[in-house]
Amino acid sequence: DTGVSQDPRHKITKRGQNVTFRCDPISEHNRLYWYRQTLGQGPEFLTYFQNEAQLEKSRLLSDRFSAERPKGSFSTLEIQRTEQGDSAMYLCASSLSEQPEAFFGQGTRLTVV
Amino acid sequence: AQTVTQSQPEMSVQEAETVTLSCTYDTSESDYYLFWYKQPPSRQMILVIRQEAYKQQNATENRFSVNFQKAAKSFSLKISDSQLGDAAMYFCACGNDMRFGAGTRLTVKP
Repeated sequence: DTGVSQDPRHKITKRGQNVTFRCDPISEHNRLYWYRQTLGQGPEFLTYFQNEAQLEKSRLLSDRFSAERPKGSFSTLEIQRTEQGDSAMYLCASSLSEQPEAFFGQGTRLTVV
Repeated sequence: AQTVTQSQPEMSVQEAETVTLSCTYDTSESDYYLFWYKQPPSRQMILVIRQEAYKQQNATENRFSVNFQKAAKSFSLKISDSQLGDAAMYFCACGNDMRFGAGTRLTVKP
């Protein structure tokens, strides 16, 4: 297992376009987390899943953000009608519920122009 | 939901000296974990140390140790014999939904 994998690593999009990111967690990790991080700041919680169930979603997010984990394995994060303020690093992490330390991917850097 | 506060945006330490990074948290969970993560510049977030809240003994991992004060909801990280490679952003995290603090930037002076 090579760890948490995120795709793409970089994404440049025009304002108003939709983007989708993918995260493949470590095999058999049942928890999966999405965060947004801007330069010099801590990871801002977006949502997390246990298996395929989305257990919590940040109230900070507008309806433009949605995440899925349909089979309890990989997950996708979609941002609709992107805005310049969405430019950030999007981090994915996974863990086991019995040993909840999270392992992070390298992130997807989104730039909205 | 948990809240995590790191009150030191930046800290500096001389190489080979000891530094302590502060973290306070609030949670409604009765059984939870606490973590310190390190994020070097432009690199991946990695786990430094974890503490299970039901354990009274403070966790230790080589040069890294914590001072966990459950009643005060305090969870500080002590780095002994600081090395140049310790320079990074350090984040405290709490809870099943892994909420993070704003981070402390640690500089190590040679």
